[in-house]
Amino acid sequence: GAGVSQTPSNKVTEKGKYVELRCDPISGHTALYWYRQSLGQGPEFLIYFQGTGAADDSGLPNDRFFAVRPEGSVSTLKIQRTERGDSAVYLCASSPWAATQNTGELFFGEGSRLTVL
Amino acid sequence: GNSVTQMEGPVTLSEEAFLTINCTYTATGYPSLFWYVQYPGEGLQLLLKATKADDKGSNKGFEATYRKETTSFHLEKGSVQVSDSAVYFCALRREGITGGGNKLTFGTGTQLKVEL
Repeated sequence: GAGVSQTPSNKVTEKGKYVELRCDPISGHTALYWYRQSLGQGPEFLIYFQGTGAADDSGLPNDRFFAVRPEGSVSTLKIQRTERGDSAVYLCASSPWAATQNTGELFFGEGSRLTVL
Repeated sequence: GNSVTQMEGPVTLSEEAFLTINCTYTATGYPSLFWYVQYPGEGLQLLLKATKADDKGSNKGFEATYRKETTSFHLEKGSVQVSDSAVYFCALRREGITGGGNKLTFGTGTQLKVEL
């Protein structure tokens, strides 16, 4: 597709369960970012990838959160032993990496809304 | 660390009114500054940006000027429309980023409601 695609758009789960959220970036964008947006807050950085490797994972809140991008395209954010405080909208974004193409703009998906009961 | 502070919303205006949404930042050096907009049911999208002091970003009738002396990047529009109703986010990217690494720090967002 033309834009960043995220699935599922909505996920309701029970406390303690495992969740996976998927992101399909814009074709050709080698940089991919995950953000979390809680109600009434701005997006909060979690992690970003350059290609297959995590270039910066300093925003992951704890070791229950993990993200992969095995082939340098689609990424999966994985949350183990979910807690009610994990409820938020998880946003994915992508951008070109090369300096000549990089305007600083992030291209966002519509997000995956996670509700932990 | 880097941070962005925005005026709290919601801001409610009548159509054709003048809009200002305040944004100030804390960062070392000369960060790049952005305004993103989130329309109902859509993902965030870039509205405008400025990469150095005194630059003015503009798009769709919106403007913001990068003021280093006041560390501000206030968003303005001379005449708002109902279709401008959305949530607006101010953001910064730290200085020195060229290739990749568009790690942004966002403000909390300001909801704008424009009524007929």
